[in-house]
Amino acid sequence: KAGVTQTPRYLIKTRGQQVTLSCSPISGHRSVSWYQQTPGQGLQFLFEYFSETQRNKGNFPGRFSGRQFSNSRSEMNVSTLELGDSALYLCASSFDRSKNIQYFGAGTRLSVL
Amino acid sequence: KNEVEQSPQNLTAQEGEFITINCSYSVGISALHWLQQHPGGGIVSLFMLSSGKKKHGRLIATINIQEKHSSLHITASHPRDSAVYICAVREGPDKLIFGTGTRLQVFP
Repeated sequence: KAGVTQTPRYLIKTRGQQVTLSCSPISGHRSVSWYQQTPGQGLQFLFEYFSETQRNKGNFPGRFSGRQFSNSRSEMNVSTLELGDSALYLCASSFDRSKNIQYFGAGTRLSVL
Repeated sequence: KNEVEQSPQNLTAQEGEFITINCSYSVGISALHWLQQHPGGGIVSLFMLSSGKKKHGRLIATINIQEKHSSLHITASHPRDSAVYICAVREGPDKLIFGTGTRLQVFP
């Protein structure tokens, strides 16, 4: 069974641009969560999608958004990029909400110049 | 004060040593996770606990819900165990709150 796939692995953008990151969960998994990891703040929860609906959102500005498709694949979008958005963005999938271990992708490393 | 505290922040050990990493939390939780992150970023879920103790190979995780404390033990440590170990608590259906991690280095 293939693991969680995140694309692209690396991305370089400039301030003010927008970016879209993609996450393909493990086949059969319906819940996808996104996390941001920075040296200063560590790992922080961004949002969680289940059945194409955002179920939970962390404390991030509205520039961070996401969506989930009917095949459970998810995308997150960051608009008007700031230098502080440079981070490792991780996606994790699980079969169902709350009762299951989350499986993490390798992450997308975003650098904003 | 962070909702999830880990100790120690850094840990150095000789191969074969018994290692303990601690995690304390202050919020109500439905489960606690132990994660392992290797250089390069990849995260592996080691355990998900809601009570008691779990064992997988040389790894043992325990949780005391009343004391809001969990420990991760590594028996007979090996250099390949070198990684950052992260404690995360589940608050709500799928929101994880993470500790700052414990960086473990095991030398041969």
